Amino acid sequence: EIVLTQSPATLSLSPGERATLSCRASQSVSSSLGWYQQKPGQAPRLLIYDASNRATGIPARFSGSGSGTDFTLTISSLEPEDFAVYYCQHRSNWPITFGQGTRLEIK
Amino acid sequence: EVQLLESGGGLVQPGGSLRLSCAASGFTFSSNAMYWVRQAPGKGLEWVSSIGGSGDSTHYGDPGKGRFTISRDNSKNTLFLQMTSLRAEDTAIYYCVKGMYSGSDWWFDFWGRGTLVTVSS
Repeated sequence: EIVLTQSPATLSLSPGERATLSCRASQSVSSSLGWYQQKPGQAPRLLIYDASNRATGIPARFSGSGSGTDFTLTISSLEPEDFAVYYCQHRSNWPITFGQGTRLEIK
Repeated sequence: EVQLLESGGGLVQPGGSLRLSCAASGFTFSSNAMYWVRQAPGKGLEWVSSIGGSGDSTHYGDPGKGRFTISRDNSKNTLFLQMTSLRAEDTAIYYCVKGMYSGSDWWFDFWGRGTLVTVSS
């Protein structure tokens, strides 16, 4: 089973700042990595797939990078609606696993 | 507009069974892999099971192996999850998820609102 480790667990930033979230895989997943956003009381939403492709309707301030074992989700300038929990997920093999999440909170 | 509407959750005693359903609309159901993902209260996301578009390919995460069965009825655009021998640790919101093929992998591109399963005596 591939273990995905996200860091930091919590990130405290202000609107307008740049956010950098990390996801590290226990073995290579090539580019088979996605990112999801979940707001309180809501279902998750796909942000990024194949490591760097934005899903439909996702603003350009969200970007993904990385390959192999190290991946990054960057939010270039935080909007108030971006404060949420973010999960990474791999599709390299079975079982599908998620990271434990990074909580992005308002400073 | 894509819609996924889960039903069938509720309170069940340990050792009991439940059948979750997910009614899909707004897309060609039979062309898409479908998934169940769960989230225990206050916890992260856990993949439960997957099924291919024709229903001939299924996969299970460790928690559900031997106890859960995923299936689909493409004539009725409905996804199912039959759960047996339920345990307290199965308590969670269960999300029905639509797959999106990127050309290399299937991703979870639309999620239902979820149905709550509570296993307790």
